[in-house]
Amino acid sequence: EIVLTQSPATLSLSPGERATLSCRASQTVRSYLAWYQQKPGQAPRLLIYDAFNRATGIPARFTGSGSGTDFTLTISSLEPEDFALYYCQQRANWPLTFGGGTKVEIK
Amino acid sequence: QLHLQESGPGLVKPSETLSLTCTVSGGSMSGGNYYWGWIRQSPGKVLEWIGSIDYHGITDYNPSLKSRVTISVDTSKKQFSLKMTSVTAADTAVYYCARDTKLAAIIYGGLTYFEHWGQGTLIIVSS
Repeated sequence: EIVLTQSPATLSLSPGERATLSCRASQTVRSYLAWYQQKPGQAPRLLIYDAFNRATGIPARFTGSGSGTDFTLTISSLEPEDFALYYCQQRANWPLTFGGGTKVEIK
Repeated sequence: QLHLQESGPGLVKPSETLSLTCTVSGGSMSGGNYYWGWIRQSPGKVLEWIGSIDYHGITDYNPSLKSRVTISVDTSKKQFSLKMTSVTAADTAVYYCARDTKLAAIIYGGLTYFEHWGQGTLIIVSS
């Protein structure tokens, strides 16, 4: 099983600041990594697929990068609605696995 | 607009079988070769893929749960279902049904991401 490790666990930032979230895979997932956003009481929402492609309707301030084992989600300038939980997920191999999440909270 | 809705008992006793159904509206289950999945989220917010099924009924399961899980589909009712046997407190979670995305290139059909999710249903395992 491919283990995805996200860091940091919590990111405390102010609106307007840049957020940088990391996801590291225990073995290569090539570019087969997605990012999701989850707000309290809601299901996860697909943000980025295959490392750097934005899903439908996702604002340009969300950028994904990386390949192999190291990936980054960058939010260029945090909006109030961006404070949430973020998860990565790989589809390179069975079983599909998710990272443990990074909480982006208001400082 | 595709809509998925989970339904289930809410409370299940230890050692019993959990049964959940996902009803799909606003879209077809039969066309497009979509994959329909079950994902759960523990109270500690850990997400775990349980398994997926396509409209032919071909399934993929997480090996950690495979011995206890069965996923089935009924396209005529626009539903797919999850059965999990011998539940314990560790199975307490919010259970989501979801449909995959076709945005990503196909490697193998079931190796996918999930773009459309139900709202989730909390299942508590307790006597």
